[in-house]
Amino acid sequence: AQTVTQSQPEMSVQEAETVTLSCTYDTSENNYYLFWYKQPPSRQMILVIRQEAYKQQNATENRFSVNFQKAAKSFSLKISDSQLGDTAMYFCAFELSGAGSYQLTFGKGTKLSVIP
Amino acid sequence: ETGVTQTPRHLVMGMTNKKSLKCEQHLGHNAMYWYKQSAKKPLELMFVYNFKEQTENNSVPSRFSPECPNSSHLFLHLHTLQPEDSALYLCASSQEYETDTQYFGPGTRLTVL
Repeated sequence: AQTVTQSQPEMSVQEAETVTLSCTYDTSENNYYLFWYKQPPSRQMILVIRQEAYKQQNATENRFSVNFQKAAKSFSLKISDSQLGDTAMYFCAFELSGAGSYQLTFGKGTKLSVIP
Repeated sequence: ETGVTQTPRHLVMGMTNKKSLKCEQHLGHNAMYWYKQSAKKPLELMFVYNFKEQTENNSVPSRFSPECPNSSHLFLHLHTLQPEDSALYLCASSQEYETDTQYFGPGTRLTVL
């Protein structure tokens, strides 16, 4: 079974600063996908960034980037130039690759507050 | 606009009531999911449907009954719920094969009195 751990229940960052959210996972499989989802106070889950495990290059999406360390099973999210709209719960998620593998395993989330 | 809608957004029901949650996706996806989000717990997968066929049922109590009449619609029928079933229920969809990004609806906030 796969597990996802987010060790920071809450974090805060000053507006325009950079913050890193940590995520570790446990799996014996080699082919999988990792995701960061954002859930603002509106409760809508929004995909932030996606990483394929077979790719060594870290995924980036505008101000969001990841540091994917496959050997260490670590998948942290860096938010640069933090904005007030980044205030949200952030969930790290894992999904096995391959037909029939539809299950996302989520961490408990990190509540991020961006302070003006 | 994520392409996945859920109704109602909020629902309050007694333990003897019967209600249904509805999810609709406009993305042409073939897989749909129900998740439960309780406070301070990870998202829990409840059910998965692929091409209208249920492929996953994660030991969900029978008081939750899913229905998938077509690839665009997913229902969660609720009856004789317990207060501990109060949670945010999220629907998601994705393409059918292999791993693909799941897109979530806004959720239904359910309160069981």
